[in-house]
Amino acid sequence: KAGVTQTPRYLIKTRGQQVTLSCSPISGHRSVSWYQQTPGQGLQFLFEYFSETQRNKGNFPGRFSGRQFSNSRSEMNVSTLELGDSALYLCASSAGQGATNEKLFFGSGTQLSVL
Amino acid sequence: GESVGLHLPTLSVQEGDNSIINCAYSNSASDYFIWYKQESGKGPQFIIDIRSNMDKRQGQRVTVLLNKTVKHLSLQIAATQPGDSAVYFCAENWAGGADGLTFGKGTHLIIQP
Repeated sequence: KAGVTQTPRYLIKTRGQQVTLSCSPISGHRSVSWYQQTPGQGLQFLFEYFSETQRNKGNFPGRFSGRQFSNSRSEMNVSTLELGDSALYLCASSAGQGATNEKLFFGSGTQLSVL
Repeated sequence: GESVGLHLPTLSVQEGDNSIINCAYSNSASDYFIWYKQESGKGPQFIIDIRSNMDKRQGQRVTVLLNKTVKHLSLQIAATQPGDSAVYFCAENWAGGADGLTFGKGTHLIIQP
């Protein structure tokens, strides 16, 4: 069974632009979560989707948004990019009804650089 | 939510020795704990998990110990191999949480030949 797939692998953007990242979960997984990883802050929770609905959201500004499609694939969008948005964005899927108390399976991430 | 921390940012061990990576958590309501391994250029890889109704759980060459009294979690890796070199993260969650897994800062395990 294929793992979590994230595209693109690398992105370079400039300040003020917007970006969309894509995630395909493991087949059969209906819950998708997004995390931001930086050297300074580590792994931080962005949001979690289940059945096309955002169930939980982390402490990030409204510039960060996401959605989930009927096939469980998910996208996240960051608008008006700032230098501090440079990070590895990780998508994870789980088999159950949400990320609470379930093991998450992560993709390799999208490395975003904002210049 | 409260953060999960690790005692050491770097741990160096000899190949073949046993490794112990420690983690302290502060949320007494946490009832699920998980260890991940992250190699360079890759996403975190699940190693082992444990729920709060258990004190110990074993996998292949790995053991997780949970001490709820002092809010301490540890990962033991037996007979450390070069392929074990990575950053190890502990993470915690609780049934009523709404902010996903809370990760520690990570311990970089270095294997010396």
